[in-house]
Amino acid sequence: QVQLQESGPGLVKPSETLSLTCTVSGYSISSGYYWGWIRQPPGKGLEWIGSIYHSGSTYYNPSLKSRVTISVDTSKNQFSLKLSSVTAADTAVYYCARAFVGIGYYYYYMDVWGKGTTVTVSS
Amino acid sequence: QSVLTQPPSASGTPGQRVTISCSGSSSNIGSNTVNWYQQLPGTAPKLLIYSNNQRPSGVPDRFSGSKSGTSASLAISGLQSEDEADYYCAAWDDSLNGHVVFGGGTKLTVL
Repeated sequence: QVQLQESGPGLVKPSETLSLTCTVSGYSISSGYYWGWIRQPPGKGLEWIGSIYHSGSTYYNPSLKSRVTISVDTSKNQFSLKLSSVTAADTAVYYCARAFVGIGYYYYYMDVWGKGTTVTVSS
Repeated sequence: QSVLTQPPSASGTPGQRVTISCSGSSSNIGSNTVNWYQQLPGTAPKLLIYSNNQRPSGVPDRFSGSKSGTSASLAISGLQSEDEADYYCAAWDDSLNGHVVFGGGTKLTVL
């Protein structure tokens, strides 16, 4: 059974960098799929942040691209998110997820999700 | 403002059939498949429908999806109280080097 677990600081100061890690169990990241991050501000909808393939190929939300870095560590079966220069608007529940991608990106869906971790940006 | 447009709310009584719409454009729904996610209160989203009309294992056949042109819809028949949740549509968007876009979400209330 594939499971994903987010981890990282629950509180980040404005202008600093938010760093989160997603640990995957029950499946090897190197075996395939894309691995991504999605966030949900309090009381609002879902926002896709970006995703990465085990080879390191990445795609980012254009609105966040200048501040986002997603990386993968296949030796630890983990992938990570870094979001720089955070503000209160980055306060959200952050989810990591596994994404199936096929025929270009004609098929792209997230079939396994972590439980999410709450990150608050405040001084 | 979400790229995909959904009604903010929908409602129905137990046993009824409810549909939720999702409108996009040629660069997303018009070019790629649509997926639906169900988010029960206080929980992570769950894949409900993928590739326009496919149900993952374990999803009841009361849930169905369809797509036509640049629009898609989710239908729930035989509505049950446990279906009360937020529903989100999503698709890959080919613009700006490619990215995933979500609808704003529809809160379904079972009356």
